Amino acid sequence: AQSVAQPEDQVNVAEGNPLTVKCTYSVSGNPYLFWYVQYPNRGLQFLLKYITGDNLVKGSYGFEAEFNKSQTSFHLKKPSALVSDSALYFCAVRDSFISNFGNEKLTFGTGTRLTIIP
Amino acid sequence: GAVVSQHPSWVICKSGTSVKIECRSLDFQATTMFWYRQFPKQSLMLMATSNEGSKATYEQGVEKDKFLINHASLTLSTLTVTSAHPEDSSFYICSARLWTLSYNEQFFGPGTRLTVL
Repeated sequence: AQSVAQPEDQVNVAEGNPLTVKCTYSVSGNPYLFWYVQYPNRGLQFLLKYITGDNLVKGSYGFEAEFNKSQTSFHLKKPSALVSDSALYFCAVRDSFISNFGNEKLTFGTGTRLTIIP
Repeated sequence: GAVVSQHPSWVICKSGTSVKIECRSLDFQATTMFWYRQFPKQSLMLMATSNEGSKATYEQGVEKDKFLINHASLTLSTLTVTSAHPEDSSFYICSARLWTLSYNEQFFGPGTRLTVL
């Protein structure tokens, strides 16, 4: 079974400071990893993904994440936080193996609420 | 590209009534769509996988007769909450799977807020 852990329910960062939102995962095969952001009463917005290749992935709005296979981590980072980055962030994982039916399931973490303090 | 819409964005209904939520892939065809449920301040929980032209696959603990899923076309899946009760109040999010040359990916709709009085 696959799983995702986001150890911090809440992260507070001063505006302009670097931010990190942590994510660790467990999957039987090779992982596909995703970060999504959710604003109040809205659906998920895609930020970035790791499929293969370079371990450092750059995404939308200046966010990036580093895939670390040995530590099974995929932490989300941004060099300089903006107040508008305040939202709920979800990490998700799925196995890269494609089944006959292709009904790969995404498993989400419990989410981390990021608050940027002006 | 890869836009997924949901309708309605919010709905309020009386207890005992049924509510239908639509999920559409606007610019691609999706043989598979997924339905998630999100309780306040919680993560997304997969309810079921909707396959075009066949029966949906429900996750353990999800009542098939309560949450009816129909995937009649390659761009539309519907979730009907039958005989809704206040405990069904939640945020329902769908996603549609898009195949690329090397892998497939889910694209998410904006969600539907259901409130059952």
